[in-house]
Amino acid sequence: EAGVTQFPSHSVIEKGQTVTLRCDPISGHDNLYWYRRVMGKEIKFLLHFVKESKQDESGMPNNRFLAERTGGTYSTLKVQPAELEDSGVYFCASSQRQGSGNTIYFGEGSWLTVV
Amino acid sequence: AQKITQTQPGMFVQEKEAVTLDCTYDTSDPSYGLFWYKQPSSGEMIFLIYQGSYDQQNATEGRYSLNFQKARKSANLVISASQLGDSAMYFCAMREGYSGGSNYKLTFGKGTLLTVNP
Repeated sequence: EAGVTQFPSHSVIEKGQTVTLRCDPISGHDNLYWYRRVMGKEIKFLLHFVKESKQDESGMPNNRFLAERTGGTYSTLKVQPAELEDSGVYFCASSQRQGSGNTIYFGEGSWLTVV
Repeated sequence: AQKITQTQPGMFVQEKEAVTLDCTYDTSDPSYGLFWYKQPSSGEMIFLIYQGSYDQQNATEGRYSLNFQKARKSANLVISASQLGDSAMYFCAMREGYSGGSNYKLTFGKGTLLTVNP
């Protein structure tokens, strides 16, 4: 069974440009999350989808960040325009809704560098 | 206030010995879950072990066990028989809310960098 996959694994962009990160959750997982870790800080929650609906987006830093999950499958996280402080690693995670849904599986992360 | 505290920025252990990584948490929610993740230098976050607040026994997964002391609000990870491949960053995390509900947000600690020496 494929795990959570993220693309791209690394991205270097200039300040002011746009970057779109993609996440494919584990098949059958209704819950999808985005987290990020900026340099020297803890891993922080960004938002949570249940299928295609945003359940909790309290961690989104500002309106330069837009997350979508059309059709309830893969998700994208767009940063537009990117700022220097957006540099960090963006993790996607997924879990089942019930049963063994206590386990939250993470992807390998998308490393973003804004220069 | 910190919800998850990992007081050890770095730890060293000799190969084949056991090591305990500390984690304390703060919550007023009676229902919560505690997770440990491993992040090797390659970057991926690997799920290791989970402990629910209502679980009667300490969780174990192979060489990993969780020393859950509810009254002290601690959830230390014990790695037995350390291997060189255990060298990585280890994160403790907490999820508050009922498992059947929709609150799956994790709060992470700052992590502990474990180095296993040959």
